[in-house]
Amino acid sequence: ILNVEQSPQSLHVQEGDSTNFTCSFPSSNFYALHWYRWETAKSPEALFVMTLNGDEKKKGRISATLNTKEGYSYLYIKGSQPEDSATYLCAFGSNTNAGKSTFGDGTTLTVKP
Amino acid sequence: KAGVTQTPRYLIKTRGQQVTLSCSPISGHRSVSWYQQTPGQGLQFLFEYFSETQRNKGNFPGRFSGRQFSNSRSEMNVSTLELGDSALYLCASSLVGETLYNEQFFGPGTRLTVL
Repeated sequence: ILNVEQSPQSLHVQEGDSTNFTCSFPSSNFYALHWYRWETAKSPEALFVMTLNGDEKKKGRISATLNTKEGYSYLYIKGSQPEDSATYLCAFGSNTNAGKSTFGDGTTLTVKP
Repeated sequence: KAGVTQTPRYLIKTRGQQVTLSCSPISGHRSVSWYQQTPGQGLQFLFEYFSETQRNKGNFPGRFSGRQFSNSRSEMNVSTLELGDSALYLCASSLVGETLYNEQFFGPGTRLTVL
């Protein structure tokens, strides 16, 4: 069983704050890492697919980094807005478990106006 | 382009019954994956279908089964329902195989309640 952990479990910030959270995964047999945003009453939405050590991806105010050697990825949100409130999920794919993504439990972000 | 659709959106069943859920992927997508989310649990992978063949399977009992049709629509069946099967069931489609590399598009889910 692959262990994918996300921290913190929840986070409350003020509008305008920058924040970051972590996804930890096994450092061996890395294949790909996905980040998703899941807003209440909506479907999970893909943010990034990361495949190479050192990858950095950016979409607007959201960016992500990847360290496959130590088994972690950070998601950063710059200048949080209330519409960023959502649960952020990471999903790890291993090349020994091809085709099966293992999801973390998510970090729930609440941005207060 | 229409997104992934799932029917029904809500379902109430009793223990021992069986249920069939449906998922229509985005047009042109050939891979469909199914996930279960129960309270306090992350998304658990059920299975993935590609070109009408089950390509990957998660660690769920044989009561959970699925199939994919030639138009890529997929159905998931759960027989002999148990209380613990109450969950949100999500399906996701992607353009080609190797879902680990490709972006998945999720449907709105089916909320199943077993009484």
